[in-house]
Amino acid sequence: DTGVSQDPRHKITKRGQNVTFRCDPISEHNRLYWYRQTLGQGPEFLTYFQNEAQLEKSRLLSDRFSAERPKGSFSTLEIQRTEQGDSAMYLCASSPRDFAFFGQGTRLTVV
Amino acid sequence: GQSLEQPSEVTAVEGAIVQINCTYQTSGFYGLSWYQQHDGGAPTFLSYNALDGLEETGRFSSFLSRSDSYGYLLLQELQMKDSASYFCAVGSYQLTFGKGTKLSVIP
Repeated sequence: DTGVSQDPRHKITKRGQNVTFRCDPISEHNRLYWYRQTLGQGPEFLTYFQNEAQLEKSRLLSDRFSAERPKGSFSTLEIQRTEQGDSAMYLCASSPRDFAFFGQGTRLTVV
Repeated sequence: GQSLEQPSEVTAVEGAIVQINCTYQTSGFYGLSWYQQHDGGAPTFLSYNALDGLEETGRFSSFLSRSDSYGYLLLQELQMKDSASYFCAVGSYQLTFGKGTKLSVIP
């Protein structure tokens, strides 16, 4: 399968813990996005990479969130000191142009 | 910034045709894309319009009018499996999504 891959698919963590999610994009895509989605809402933009450069970051994104894409390949999204409000589906997408192919997402539950 | 408006819910009969509209505001236009998302799943890319006109992919077609900042997704020969949420999106570095249209297909 050469689609976008995310790991883990599900994560349950206690409030205050740090979590890290991984995304492996489609190999020939240089664009990579991270989104957050809650029930009944559209995907909310978090950040964008073109190759290894993080070119855009949502102003709504707390300093507890950080993302990396070393060597322009896979990407990680880390959330520090998780809060219950961080419970959501975290989606990664990659693209060759101005649209997106999504992975299956990581569902985060903060208890 | 970017914003998109689409109807929150649409209901249609199996076998019929349904149109889901999307109007947008954006400072720089890079194309309009459409996605399908079933409950519990991730969004799936359906189509992309960079230029005015109609793009057809099987039972699905998408239309764009840049002068009107408007597009729509047309689903023909509706099937029960088409029941899902549909999102339009615009942008480039910050690809922004609408809130989605929940389509219910009834027998």
